[in-house]
Amino acid sequence: AQSVTQLGSHVSVSEGALVLLRCNYSSSVPPYLFWYVQYPNQGLQLLLKYTTGATLVKGINGFEAEFKKSETSFHLTKPSAHMSDAAEYFCAVSLIQGAQKLVFGQGTRLTINP
Amino acid sequence: EPEVTQTPSHQVTQMGQEVILRCVPISNHLYFYWYRQILGQKVEFLVSFYNNEISEKSEIFDDQFSVERPDGSNFTLKIRSTKLEDSAMYFCASVSGRGSTDTQYFGPGTRLTVL
Repeated sequence: AQSVTQLGSHVSVSEGALVLLRCNYSSSVPPYLFWYVQYPNQGLQLLLKYTTGATLVKGINGFEAEFKKSETSFHLTKPSAHMSDAAEYFCAVSLIQGAQKLVFGQGTRLTINP
Repeated sequence: EPEVTQTPSHQVTQMGQEVILRCVPISNHLYFYWYRQILGQKVEFLVSFYNNEISEKSEIFDDQFSVERPDGSNFTLKIRSTKLEDSAMYFCASVSGRGSTDTQYFGPGTRLTVL
């Protein structure tokens, strides 16, 4: 069975600082990996995804994530935090992209300090 | 840009009552999903639906739950007799299903409060 663990339910960084949100997964077969963002009172929006190919994936709003098979990780980073990045971030995994269910981590709430 | 819509945004009901949560997926999508998120917990898969039948369901999706696509646009989740523990945010999602790079698009959610 697949599972996702996000280290840190709350992360707080200063504006302009590096953002690092951690995600580790467990899967018996090569997974597809996703990061979704949820702004207050809104639905889940896809930030980026890894399916195959290049392990460094770039997404919207300056975010990127690197798939590291040896570490079973898919950490999300952004070089310089902006106030508008404050939101809840969810890492998710699926076996077959598109048709299969997503298994989510518990989420990380990102707070940006002025 | 096409989007998934859900109504109502907030539903308050009494324990034991039936509720129907409505979703309008993106028009040319083939796969549909319901997820829920209990306050403070992770988003959990409930059910997936394809070609007018359930393709997968979780342990949460018991006989009290049902899904339907009554016409070409709506996708509904019915809870027959609500319990206090059904209080959660319910998300609908849809996927094109035609390519290897499909993305699940989520609606804004319906917050269900069972009193």
